[in-house]
Amino acid sequence: AQRVTQPEKLLSVFKGAPVELKCNYSYSGSPELFWYVQYSRQRLQLLLRHISRESIKGFTADLNKGETSFHLKKPFAQEEDSAMYYCALYGGATNKLIFGTGTLLAVQP
Amino acid sequence: EAGVVQSPRYKIIEKKQPVAFWCNPISGHNTLYWYLQNLGQGPELLIRYENEEAVDDSQLPKDRFSAERLKGVDSTLKIQPAELGDSAVYLCASSLDPGQTQYFGPGTRLLVL
Repeated sequence: AQRVTQPEKLLSVFKGAPVELKCNYSYSGSPELFWYVQYSRQRLQLLLRHISRESIKGFTADLNKGETSFHLKKPFAQEEDSAMYYCALYGGATNKLIFGTGTLLAVQP
Repeated sequence: EAGVVQSPRYKIIEKKQPVAFWCNPISGHNTLYWYLQNLGQGPELLIRYENEEAVDDSQLPKDRFSAERLKGVDSTLKIQPAELGDSAVYLCASSLDPGQTQYFGPGTRLLVL
């Protein structure tokens, strides 16, 4: 079964501190992993996808198939990074995007 | 480009009343999705359309929920009758094709009293 686990509901860090938002998944095939972000009063939007292997707004995420993880990282958090972050898995067999429960990142000044 | 448009943004109704939500996807996007997002949870797929065909409605509670996508563009999602537990955010998303990046609308926040 497809499942995405985000163990932290809330992550609070100070500005300039490193950030790591955890995401683990369960999927029997080759998944596509995504990070979506929702800033206050804005719509859910794509932050990055693992196949692009790009850095968006200083965030990166590496797919670790051995640990079935796709953690989101940023070396120096900014206040404007405060938002709700959702990890999502797309399974080609089901054509479904499965979301985790989300982690609220709060960057303190 | 306006992005995915949804209306209304907020709706408050009494239980047992009907309610409908409307979605206009991004122009040219063949695939349209309706998601349900309960408080503290991530979005969960209710139904997926490819053009005007509902190709995955396995999670749609068909006793009270219905959806349509006439002409393969706009879509409506209806609940009749609404129950207290239906209070949630209903999200619409669209993509060029399945597996492509999904673009989300602002959602409709439903409160059933």
